[in-house]
Amino acid sequence: NAGVTQTPKFRVLKTGQSMTLLCAQDMNHEYMYWYRQDPGMGLRLIHYSVGEGTTAKGEVPDGYNVSRLKKQNFLLGLESAAPSQTSVYFCASSYKGVSEAFFGQGTRLTVV
Amino acid sequence: GNSVTQMEGPVTLSEEAFLTINCTYTATGYPSLFWYVQYPGEGLQLLLKATKADDKGSNKGFEATYRKETTSFHLEKGSVQVSDSAVYFCALSAGSGNTPLVFGKGTRLSVIA
Repeated sequence: NAGVTQTPKFRVLKTGQSMTLLCAQDMNHEYMYWYRQDPGMGLRLIHYSVGEGTTAKGEVPDGYNVSRLKKQNFLLGLESAAPSQTSVYFCASSYKGVSEAFFGQGTRLTVV
Repeated sequence: GNSVTQMEGPVTLSEEAFLTINCTYTATGYPSLFWYVQYPGEGLQLLLKATKADDKGSNKGFEATYRKETTSFHLEKGSVQVSDSAVYFCALSAGSGNTPLVFGKGTRLSVIA
């Protein structure tokens, strides 16, 4: 009964390094999302996807790229990490845009 | 555009007190409305939802009524417990397709024994 699984759970990067966060869902959902959560800012949408092979920008897309090559996976990439990208990242998925979203446990990323 | 405004926290209550967390929204069309809860160290999970005007969502003693005339979806609970301490997020999904969830900034609730 996995739901939405994020990998890794914790990561420390040096400024300028790159990394990819993986999100996997086993519910056959069409929609997938990447959010970041910062103190006092709530959840802000980075990128989202409404189906395999599609991606769209959210509220704060700069510095991030995404890919949805397979329906069950949604990857978030940081090409050149900056301290401003220190945050907790959440992946979510939903059957449709108006359906409830299911969230992963989060990835705590620190950029030093 | 679509947006959600919820009351600033943190909110601190004694056990068995009455809880209200205000949420108002701006949206085109007829959105679905949600309350999510985030317990410490965890991801968000759906608490309750309402998909049309005058619907009441309820779960675990929490309730919220979709009020189109006041564009509100306030969260209430008659008697809070220490285990209700968490961050609560109001969210909406616009009625048209291909539009992701929009979240409020969250309200931290602490319940003390």
